[in-house]
Amino acid sequence: DAKTTQPTSMDCAEGRAANLPCNHSTISGNEYVYWYRQIHSQGPQYIIHGLKNNETNEMASLIITEDRKSSTLILPHATLRDTAVYYCIVRVANTGTASKLTFGTGTRLQVTL
Amino acid sequence: ETGVTQTPRHLVMGMTNKKSLKCEQHLGHNAMYWYKQSAKKPLELMFVYSLEERVENNSVPSRFSPECPNSSHLFLHLHTLQPEDSALYLCASSQSFRGAANVLTFGAGSRLTVL
Repeated sequence: DAKTTQPTSMDCAEGRAANLPCNHSTISGNEYVYWYRQIHSQGPQYIIHGLKNNETNEMASLIITEDRKSSTLILPHATLRDTAVYYCIVRVANTGTASKLTFGTGTRLQVTL
Repeated sequence: ETGVTQTPRHLVMGMTNKKSLKCEQHLGHNAMYWYKQSAKKPLELMFVYSLEERVENNSVPSRFSPECPNSSHLFLHLHTLQPEDSALYLCASSQSFRGAANVLTFGAGSRLTVL
């Protein structure tokens, strides 16, 4: 699976959009981009995933560049409850082996008043 | 109950004790996972079960023994642990263990302290 690079930490004011970048320059054509987040002392929570097209759900939007070498997770109106570590993961969805997710160190997002 | 439930949430044990962590999922999923999260380290996958069959064991020491009696329940049996095994143990489930639908749902974790 391709490696990802994320900033260690970011701050965002409450009510503003939080834009979390992820670089995955070695991504292959059949690898998906997944985002999870982990609020302190809880299990990770799935946010969104995509292959080529931009995706949106009730939690966030995922913008993938045309060359697929980077992506941005957008939380449109961040709240204090969005303070968490955000993990960007790329993996092949239909592997012959157990399709495990490899979590890196992620981006620690701090939402402030 | 819904989602993935882990018990106990906190466990303190001595190195000679035997204890078990329990995970139960109410999502109708066919795959279940154990992850370990040590302080300031990324999550590490330990075991994967698909339809009650172990499909992956990531070089985990034998003092950790998983058991999956049915597709809804997963146990992690612990014996003669070391202090460095203190960590947050996370259970997860997914619809299957392959495919784009393989989105993991995690439990809240069991915080283990080995004295």
